[in-house]
Amino acid sequence: DAKTTQPTSMDCAEGRAANLPCNHSTISGNEYVYWYRQIHSQGPQYIIHGLKNNETNEMASLIITEDRKSSTLILPHATLRDTAVYYCIVGISNTGKLIFGQGTTLQVKP
Amino acid sequence: EAQVTQNPRYLITVTGKKLTVTCSQNMNHEYMSWYRQDPGLGLRQIYYSMNVEVTDKGDVPEGYKVSRKEKRNFPLILESPSPNQTSLYFCASTRQGGYNEQFFGPGTRLTVL
Repeated sequence: DAKTTQPTSMDCAEGRAANLPCNHSTISGNEYVYWYRQIHSQGPQYIIHGLKNNETNEMASLIITEDRKSSTLILPHATLRDTAVYYCIVGISNTGKLIFGQGTTLQVKP
Repeated sequence: EAQVTQNPRYLITVTGKKLTVTCSQNMNHEYMSWYRQDPGLGLRQIYYSMNVEVTDKGDVPEGYKVSRKEKRNFPLILESPSPNQTSLYFCASTRQGGYNEQFFGPGTRLTVL
């Protein structure tokens, strides 16, 4: 019952920006967009979240369209260590549950 | 260092032999939860706890028990493990249920023969 659609896989050259898209056309007005990543069976790691405005932190930038129906996670200078599955998640249930979809497998290549 | 720890990291056991996977966090978080991850099924929530002595079922609670006697610990108990509980298990915590950033443990890979 994930409310997001992401490409199954993407490649990116090391040192280049990685742009990971996510569609969430049924997002509600008060639902945040979250991004997590999972590096090879390690525990998922929080990256960033946002509601309406674009957000940036030390790891990434999050661009949310004006209608909020899609967003893009940007890793400005991808490294080999950024190879992972990236999950776009919309909202948190009232039980605190994160609903993980299938995510995008990002392969950063030398 | 702020972290969630799980033990053991790897476990191979046999059907019916009771086991406990421990989870501990050092961030004074109120909310803790357990997920299991299986190929093709993604991460599914097993149990969660909003605070000490408050636990509730997630999406796949059958065959599992939990307890929350202290704020920092949230053990996952398998009273009579079965092969269909072979999975990768993650514990997570956050300041409060519904808070933005959740911290995940490193995972426990369980094999039930």
